Amino acid sequence: EAGVAQSPRYKIIEKRQSVAFWCNPISGHATLYWYQQILGQGPKLLIQFQNNGVVDDSQLPKDRFSAERLKGVDSTLKIQPAKLEDSAVYLCASSFIRGINTEAFFGQGTRLTVV
Amino acid sequence: SQQGEEDPQALSIQEGENATMNCSYKTSINNLQWYRQNSGRGLVHLILIRSNEREKHSGRLRVTLDTSKKSSSLLITASRAADTASYFCATVPSNAGKSTFGDGTTLTVKP
Repeated sequence: EAGVAQSPRYKIIEKRQSVAFWCNPISGHATLYWYQQILGQGPKLLIQFQNNGVVDDSQLPKDRFSAERLKGVDSTLKIQPAKLEDSAVYLCASSFIRGINTEAFFGQGTRLTVV
Repeated sequence: SQQGEEDPQALSIQEGENATMNCSYKTSINNLQWYRQNSGRGLVHLILIRSNEREKHSGRLRVTLDTSKKSSSLLITASRAADTASYFCATVPSNAGKSTFGDGTTLTVKP
């Protein structure tokens, strides 16, 4: 089966610019996650969707970050305006159901550099 | 703060040796999962161990869980150069809240 697709793979922008990332989860996966992974650290959950509804966005900096999953399939994560500290890898993951005993499948991530 | 914390931060061994990494956590969990991340790639799920399990095996991987000590260990036996990666534990709390990753152990297996 095809994995989680993310684009772009790399992005370099200047601070105060805006950027958007795209994720297409594995077909049939209802739950979609966006993580931020800063170099040398583990992934930090930004937002979790169940179909097209938000389950958890408690760690999403809502003044500058937004995410949507309008049709319950693919998703976009936007940063506007970007700051230097947003430099990180943004990982998208999906799982079949929203359950506590399910594994998540990760995409390869988008490496964002803000200069 | 992160729920799971891996130890050591970095580990370097020779091919054929065993590698052991540990994960400690603070609150009660429903399950604990181990993931591997190769450089520049996404995470790959390795194994899930439930709170009522004490040990689980998958190929060359052995995971133990000690809920009284709030800790887990991942053992990779007969390591290979291809095992070089970062390994993360993710804990799912008992209240079914979101899972939380630690900062990982970076394993280097020298050929």
